[in-house]
Amino acid sequence: TQLLEQSPQFLSIQEGENLTVYCNSSSVFSSLQWYRQEPGEGPVLLVTVVTGGEVKKLKRLTFQFGDARKDSSLHITAAQPGDTGLYLCAGAWGNTPLVFGKGTRLSVIA
Amino acid sequence: EAGVTQFPSHSVIEKGQTVTLRCDPISGHDNLYWYRRVMGKEIKFLLHFVKESKQDESGMPNNRFLAERTGGTYSTLKVQPAELEDSGVYFCASSQHRKGVTEAFFGQGTRLTVV
Repeated sequence: TQLLEQSPQFLSIQEGENLTVYCNSSSVFSSLQWYRQEPGEGPVLLVTVVTGGEVKKLKRLTFQFGDARKDSSLHITAAQPGDTGLYLCAGAWGNTPLVFGKGTRLSVIA
Repeated sequence: EAGVTQFPSHSVIEKGQTVTLRCDPISGHDNLYWYRRVMGKEIKFLLHFVKESKQDESGMPNNRFLAERTGGTYSTLKVQPAELEDSGVYFCASSQHRKGVTEAFFGQGTRLTVV
């Protein structure tokens, strides 16, 4: 049983389009992180959200934590080829190790 | 500041052989984690050190895997003897916990192929 479900698994869009990827769980997390991973590299931390309903922005990326702290979304505005990569969400309870979703593989075509 | 570094980046070994992976965490990070991603699956937790002590090893697959962190600095993960199903990418991560938050910084991973 997978604790964190990410959707879609794959996404291919044109440069300039907007997109949203989702991370859903039946469990409540005390914190949730979004990572981006490129081929041959490890996951790179983008953001941490801890409060239900919290919204954080990182340039063209907007992250939201659900009110019940069971789900999260990542919205990218005006996607660029440099946004291509594997986006991973990971949740934790307190200081427990992270539990990861399988990721959304994004391809932005110029 | 140097990030988490892992060595080697790739390893191809035969079934039955031994392999040792190394991880150097970010300096000053007490917490060190090992994770693994096998093909088609999500990244899964293996083991957590706090300084030199094993805090949680509930994710270790079996007793063919041995992790150490002598002195609370770098860590090694030994697989002996390796089996085909051990193939995957092994990630190391380190963190300094903020209260109630796990925020980990990852190395580039070691891709292990057992043939």
